[in-house]
Amino acid sequence: KAGVTQTPRYLIKTRGQQVTLSCSPISGHRSVSWYQQTPGQGLQFLFEYFSETQRNKGNFPGRFSGRQFSNSRSEMNVSTLELGDSALYLCASSLEGSGGHNEQFFGPGTRLTVL
Amino acid sequence: DQQVKQNSPSLSVQEGRISILNCDYTNSMFDYFLWYKKYPAEGPTFLISISSIKDKNEDGRFTVFLNKSAKHLSLHIVPSQPGDSAVYFCAASGRGTSYGKLTFGQGTILTVHP
Repeated sequence: KAGVTQTPRYLIKTRGQQVTLSCSPISGHRSVSWYQQTPGQGLQFLFEYFSETQRNKGNFPGRFSGRQFSNSRSEMNVSTLELGDSALYLCASSLEGSGGHNEQFFGPGTRLTVL
Repeated sequence: DQQVKQNSPSLSVQEGRISILNCDYTNSMFDYFLWYKKYPAEGPTFLISISSIKDKNEDGRFTVFLNKSAKHLSLHIVPSQPGDSAVYFCAASGRGTSYGKLTFGQGTILTVHP
């Protein structure tokens, strides 16, 4: 079974631009979560989608948004990029995600650099 | 407020010996705990998990112990191998509406010397 895939793997943008990252979950997994990893803050939860609905959201500004498609693939968007948005963005999928009692499997991440 | 803490930033162990990685949590709503291993430029890899109804779970060389009263868990790796060198994260999730959310510790860098 193929793992979680994320595209692109690397991205360089300038301040003020917007960016869209893509995630394809493991086949059969319906829950997709997004995380941001930075040296200072560690791994921080952004949001989770299940059946095309956002069920949970972390403490990030509204510039961070996402969506999920009917095939469970997910995208996240960051608008009006700031230098502090430079990070590794990780996507994880799990079977159902209810109550968190499913192991999450992570993709390789997208390294975003904002100049 | 850091709800999951890994107080040791790094750990160095000799090949063949035991590695013990520790994790503390403060949120009593957490009832499921996981350990992940991460290499640079890769996503975290799931290792092992434990539910709060258990106090031990074992999978090959990896054993996780949970002490609910102390809000403490540990990961034991026996025997340690050089390929185990990586950053280890503990993570927790809770009851209710914490859909898809894992709360991570800051990680411990494990180095296993040949």
